[in-house]
Amino acid sequence: RKEVEQDPGPFNVPEGATVAFNCTYSNSASQSFFWYRQDCRKEPKLLMSVYSSGNEDGRFTAQLNRASQYISLLIRDSKLSDSATYLCVVNNNNDMRFGAGTRLTVKP
Amino acid sequence: GAVVSQHPSWVICKSGTSVKIECRSLDFQATTMFWYRQFPKQSLMLMATSNEGSKATYEQGVEKDKFLINHASLTLSTLTVTSAHPEDSSFYICSARVITEAFFGQGTRLTVV
Repeated sequence: RKEVEQDPGPFNVPEGATVAFNCTYSNSASQSFFWYRQDCRKEPKLLMSVYSSGNEDGRFTAQLNRASQYISLLIRDSKLSDSATYLCVVNNNNDMRFGAGTRLTVKP
Repeated sequence: GAVVSQHPSWVICKSGTSVKIECRSLDFQATTMFWYRQFPKQSLMLMATSNEGSKATYEQGVEKDKFLINHASLTLSTLTVTSAHPEDSSFYICSARVITEAFFGQGTRLTVV
């Protein structure tokens, strides 16, 4: 089993749609969690951290379920500029593990 | 946020030659830097952890004699791919962390022909 698993997609959605990604992780001792965004042929950039209580940043909402060991990202009112690959990242004692990413394409 | 600069952004080299990739932290000091490799449609795979002033720590399956890492200062780590082969063609990215956030270099796309 992979340490961090994501549905690779692709998710093709129209502008304005709501889309959700899930991610599962295998190490129950993992301490911190993140979503990164990676554009084609570019480096990953932090989108948001994920907190146990759930957190929201504008159109983006992240949730963490420690009991089930999964993390989610919800994007509301999707924009063309949201098209990218979204990486789930799990950190345990400074050992960061990346999911393979979920590819999102938002179409006009 | 912190800035990590990686150079070159792309390189094409012949089989058997060596390629050096530089990773610099521009506005902070990084005692530790991380080197990743990413194949198309796959996740970032940690290759090694680079420690300033000491030997790098390599992940299982990564040949330390093939991927030479030098972290001679608090702002510079280098990765040298020695005797490169076509199967080494990949996207190599370095990273440094500030507290828990990881900042990445722009990546180096290596093509070995």
